Amino acid sequence: DVYLVESGGGLVQPGRSLRLACVGSGFPFDDYAMHWVRQVPGKGLEWVSGISWDSKNRGYAESVKGRFTISRDNAKSSVYLQMNSLRLEDTALYYCVKDGGSWGQGTLVTVSS
Amino acid sequence: DIVMTQSPFSLPVTPGEPATISCRSSQSLLHKNGYTSLDWYLQRPGQSPELLIYLGFNRPSGVPDRFIGSGSGTNFTLKISRVEAEDVGVYFCVQVLQTPWTFGQGTKVEIK
Repeated sequence: DVYLVESGGGLVQPGRSLRLACVGSGFPFDDYAMHWVRQVPGKGLEWVSGISWDSKNRGYAESVKGRFTISRDNAKSSVYLQMNSLRLEDTALYYCVKDGGSWGQGTLVTVSS
Repeated sequence: DIVMTQSPFSLPVTPGEPATISCRSSQSLLHKNGYTSLDWYLQRPGQSPELLIYLGFNRPSGVPDRFIGSGSGTNFTLKISRVEAEDVGVYFCVQVLQTPWTFGQGTKVEIK
């Protein structure tokens, strides 16, 4: 079975930083692109960022471009999301998603003063 | 960005009866490799999304065959042939043809 476990969420003040991590298991991690998708509780879904298997291609939603950085370490079966200059509107549950449809349980990020 | 329009917003259903959800994209989701880049998910209350259909009509192992995906180009449908009580939740479509992935607004299925 595929498992994706996110960590790193929490309460943070506007303008501060947070780094999310996701560890994958049960599949050949370095064969797959990985993504971060967020969801405001009770609301819809927004793709945040994605990274190819070899890290050569990375993409970002316009809403986070220039503030968030995605990276991965295939040796650790991990993908990361460095979130800088956090805003109130970044408050959401952040899911790690494997290309092809497996999602983690999410980690909650709350930006509040 | 590709805009995904999903309907209906809410769908009360009777167990044993069929249910249909529609999803329309602002441009064709046909990939140059010949596959249709449209997935369907179910998000049960308090859970993360679960893949029901991938590439337009394929069911992952373990997904009951009452879930049927169809469509092509810009118009897609998810049909539940006979709704069961465990099927309640929010269904949404997502295009994975290009980033940013974009999602339908969701359809909340509840039992009458």
